[in-house]
Amino acid sequence: GNSVTQMEGPVTLSEEAFLTINCTYTATGYPSLFWYVQYPGEGLQLLLKATKADDKGSNKGFEATYRKETTSFHLEKGSVQVSDSAVYFCALSARGNQFYFGTGTSLTVIP
Amino acid sequence: DAGVTQSPTHLIKTRGQHVTLRCSPISGHKSVSWYQQVLGQGPQFIFQYYEKEERGRGNFPDRFSARQFPNYSSELNVNALLLGDSALYLCASSLTQGFGQPQHFGDGTRLSIL
Repeated sequence: GNSVTQMEGPVTLSEEAFLTINCTYTATGYPSLFWYVQYPGEGLQLLLKATKADDKGSNKGFEATYRKETTSFHLEKGSVQVSDSAVYFCALSARGNQFYFGTGTSLTVIP
Repeated sequence: DAGVTQSPTHLIKTRGQHVTLRCSPISGHKSVSWYQQVLGQGPQFIFQYYEKEERGRGNFPDRFSARQFPNYSSELNVNALLLGDSALYLCASSLTQGFGQPQHFGDGTRLSIL
């Protein structure tokens, strides 16, 4: 079956620290992979995506690389800001474009 | 352009009642999906509709049903509400059912069952 496992939170970092949020997946076939972000009081927003192995998605300083050999799609950012405080969800899209989400990782960045 | 819009924003019901949630996709989007997000968890897939036909169904009981209208808007219906149905219900749209297309989410309907 299809599933996504995300790093447990919450994560608290100081401003300008390096961020890694781990995500691994199980899928039949070759899924597309996504990171969504949910800011406080707002809906889910697409952060970045990758559709095939070795693709790197990037947006707003965040990056993630689709690693087929390790079935991973870890989210990274070199220097976080207070405005990055949110809940981050890793997701995969399987056949028929049905999405499967991880449980989410809450990030708090302190000044 | 307007994003995905959902109504109502909040809803309070009692056990055994029925509820209808509504969703309007982004203009031009023909696929609509519904998700249930329980507090502290990721969204769980309920239904997907494309061109007014059901194209996918998640592991939810038959009390949950949905439909898509000719203008591509959609309704999610839940019968015989249980306390465990309390959740945020999210609607998402995409251009087509095509593999790998990102889904664009509305802000959700918060359903509370008393």
